[in-house]
Amino acid sequence: DAKTTQPPSMDCAEGRAANLPCNHSTISGNEYVYWYRQIHSQGPQYIIHGLKNNETNEMASLIITEDRKSSTLILPHATLRDTAVYYCIVGIRLDKLVFGAGTILRVKS
Amino acid sequence: DTGVSQNPRHKITKRGQNVTFRCDPISEHNRLYWYRQTLGQGPEFLTYFQNEAQLEKSRLLSDRFSAERPKGSFSTLEIQRTEQGDSAMYLCASSFSAYGYTFGSGTRLTVV
Repeated sequence: DAKTTQPPSMDCAEGRAANLPCNHSTISGNEYVYWYRQIHSQGPQYIIHGLKNNETNEMASLIITEDRKSSTLILPHATLRDTAVYYCIVGIRLDKLVFGAGTILRVKS
Repeated sequence: DTGVSQNPRHKITKRGQNVTFRCDPISEHNRLYWYRQTLGQGPEFLTYFQNEAQLEKSRLLSDRFSAERPKGSFSTLEIQRTEQGDSAMYLCASSFSAYGYTFGSGTRLTVV
């Protein structure tokens, strides 16, 4: 599975968009990009995934660059409850996720 | 069905004792996963079941660890002769497909 690089931490003002970047320069053509988040003392929560096209659901949007070497998770209106560790995962093994250290997102009022 | 249930939430045990954790997945999910997470790290894959068949085990799962999923419903993870290095959060997840796991809240094990 391709490796991912994420900033260790980010801050965001409440109500503003949170843009979380992820680099995956060695991604191969059949590897998906997944995003999960983990709020303190809870298990990880699935957010969104994509292959080539941008994706949007009720939680977030996923923007994947045309060369697929990086992606951005967008939380359009961050709230205090979005404070969590966000994991970007790349792989084809859909039954075996490889988590990195993730990005700690702090949403501040 | 409110999600994946794990019991107990916390377990403190003495080194050398055996412990068993239980996971009840979402009822219609045929896939069940176990992960382990140590402080400050992301979860690490341990093992995976499809129905009652254990399809893959990580090298992290030493021979002191055993997981079962009888009848393809709940699963148990047993650790024999616990060591301090086994202290971690043990997470269970289930899915119908592999795109969107639902994780439980985990069992935090402390070996003293």
